[in-house]
Amino acid sequence: DADVTQTPRNRITKTGKRIMLECSQTKGHDRMYWYRQDPGLGLRLIYYSFDVKDINKGEISDGYSVSRQAQAKFSLSLESAIPNQTALYFCATSDRGANGYTFGSGTRLTVV
Amino acid sequence: GQQLNQSPQSMFIQEGEDVSMNCTSSSIFNTWLWYKQDPGEGPVLLIALYKAGELTSNGRLTAQFGITRKDSFLNISASIPSDVGIYFCAGFNYGGSQGNLIFGKGTKLSVKP
Repeated sequence: DADVTQTPRNRITKTGKRIMLECSQTKGHDRMYWYRQDPGLGLRLIYYSFDVKDINKGEISDGYSVSRQAQAKFSLSLESAIPNQTALYFCATSDRGANGYTFGSGTRLTVV
Repeated sequence: GQQLNQSPQSMFIQEGEDVSMNCTSSSIFNTWLWYKQDPGEGPVLLIALYKAGELTSNGRLTAQFGITRKDSFLNISASIPSDVGIYFCAGFNYGGSQGNLIFGKGTKLSVKP
């Protein structure tokens, strides 16, 4: 099993729909992250959580919300999806160090 | 916020050629990292650098942490088709405002057999 599992891997949804992307990890890390990847823009941080009771906005949090249900689970929600949220979304976990980041395989979301 | 300038944005090379890419920042980082993203997958760590001036190798890959702590470069020698992918630099500061990685925009590498 993968250390960081994202579901679904691919999703097509309609404008205005609510959608949730889920992430679970078996690394035992306290820290979890959601990133968005767009061509030519790299990885941009949406939200991050340093432990179960800690939620922080990242660089591009507008239009998104998160829930840290347990140490191992961190979900990302789009309350009302819009086409410019079409992107590749990555979940990651880490320990306190820089080289402990582990990424999931991504969720490709298309909003039509 | 902090931003990393990574160049080039893309490279098209012949198998066997050497590759060089770099990353610069307007501010200092304590740690520089290089990641590779294969198509359809998440980024995977290639090399981590912890000290200014440090030169580290991982097989055909060599990376350096700039003396000013504001830049880093990655070289790939004798490229092969499986080197195809997107390479990201990332900077990290312990105890920084977010304690998070800051990523460059990536260098997309294409290798022609």
